Amino acid sequence: KAGVTQTPRYLIKTRGQQVTLSCSPISGHRSVSWYQQTPGQGLQFLFEYFSETQRNKGNFPGRFSGRQFSNSRSEMNVSTLELGDSALYLCASSLAKGTGEADTQYFGPGTRLTVL
Amino acid sequence: AQSVAQPEDQVNVAEGNPLTVKCTYSVSGNPYLFWYVQYPNRGLQFLLKYITGDNLVKGSYGFEAEFNKSQTSFHLKKPSALVSDSALYFCAVRGLRGSQGNLIFGKGTKLSVKP
Repeated sequence: KAGVTQTPRYLIKTRGQQVTLSCSPISGHRSVSWYQQTPGQGLQFLFEYFSETQRNKGNFPGRFSGRQFSNSRSEMNVSTLELGDSALYLCASSLAKGTGEADTQYFGPGTRLTVL
Repeated sequence: AQSVAQPEDQVNVAEGNPLTVKCTYSVSGNPYLFWYVQYPNRGLQFLLKYITGDNLVKGSYGFEAEFNKSQTSFHLKKPSALVSDSALYFCAVRGLRGSQGNLIFGKGTKLSVKP
C-alpha cells in the first residue's frame, strides 16, 4: 500500500506571496492532519480534517488554512507569507476509527518551504 | 493540558550497547503515547504506541518502550544499538479535542550511535 505523499517536496517563495501544499493520504484513511516543523518551535499541530470537515485546529493565525476533498486528499494554504513561515510542513493520515485518539498517524515526507 | 518532555537533547551510545531515550508525560485522562523516528530530510516514521494493556510495548526495528504510570514515563529502549539507528526521536501524546486535538510532540532527542 502506498504511503502518504506530499507535493511539492521543495518550494521557494517570497514574502507576501501565498502557497498551496498538497497531501494524498494512505488509501482508506479518512483523517488528514498537518504539522509545522521548525528548529525553534519543533513540531506543532496546524489542523486536522475528517470527512471534509475541520475537526481540530492548532494555535496558528488565520493565514493558515486547509481543506479536504471527498477523496480524502487535503491541501493547506498559507497566505501573505512571512519569513517565519519557513519550515518543513508534514502531513499525516490515519484511519480515524471511532473518536480517533488511539489512531496511529502515518506521516508523509514533508514539503520544505523556504520564504525569502 | 497534555504535554511530553524529552529531557535529553542528545544521547550517545556505542554500537552493540543498549540504548534508552527518555520521555515523561503529563495528561488528563488516559494517556495515548507514541514514539516516532525522523531521519535527515525525511518525514516521521512510526515506531510504537501505548494505548492500554501491557506496560512493555514492542515496536518496529527492535525497539520497545516501557510505560510507567507511577513515574509518568514512556522510555524508548533497544537492547543492542546499530549505527543505522542514529536519528532524531520524538515522543508524542495525543491531545484532547479542540486546539490540542492531535499529537503533541516533545522537542526530540538526537541519538548518535558510534561504531
